[in-house]
Amino acid sequence: AQSVTQLDSQVPVFEEAPVELRCNYSSSVSVYLFWYVQYPNQGLQLLLKYLSGSTLVKGINGFEAEFNKSQTSFHLRKPSVHISDTAEYFCAVIPEGFQKLVFGTGTRLLVSP
Amino acid sequence: KAGVTQTPRYLIKTRGQQVTLSCSPISGHRSVSWYQQTPGQGLQFLFEYFSETQRNKGNFPGRFSGRQFSNSRSEMNVSTLELGDSALYLCASTWDGSSYNEQFFGPGTRLTVL
Repeated sequence: AQSVTQLDSQVPVFEEAPVELRCNYSSSVSVYLFWYVQYPNQGLQLLLKYLSGSTLVKGINGFEAEFNKSQTSFHLRKPSVHISDTAEYFCAVIPEGFQKLVFGTGTRLLVSP
Repeated sequence: KAGVTQTPRYLIKTRGQQVTLSCSPISGHRSVSWYQQTPGQGLQFLFEYFSETQRNKGNFPGRFSGRQFSNSRSEMNVSTLELGDSALYLCASTWDGSSYNEQFFGPGTRLTVL
């Protein structure tokens, strides 16, 4: 079975500060890794995904994530956040061959001026 | 290209009733998945349909069912509603159902059970 752990339920940061949202996963099979963002009263939007190849993945809105196989981590980073980045962020995995996202519990990013 | 649409956006029902939610995927997409989002359990996979066939199923009771039509539109039905069924129900579509393709999410249907 697969599981995803997002240790931080809430991360407060000031505008223009860097941020890292942590994600660890466990799986007995190969997985694809994703980060989604959910703005209030909206569905989920894909930020970035790791399928294979370079372990550093760049996504939309200036976000990037690094896949670390030995630590089974896929942390999300942004060098300088904006107020508009305030949202809930979900890390997720899909086992290879399935179409079933397994989500972490989410991290609420709160950006203040 | 229009995104994934879900109707209705909001729904209020009472315990014991049944409800049907609808999802129209992006044109050309053949796979539709459903997820339940609650504050306590987070986002949980319900089921996935591809070309009118259920391919994957999550750990939900039989009160939760779904179907997909030939035009890829999907419906989800919940019978004998319980208070705990109050949630945001999200559907997502992808064109071929492959694991590595992005799932595009709709805005969700917020179901409140009184």
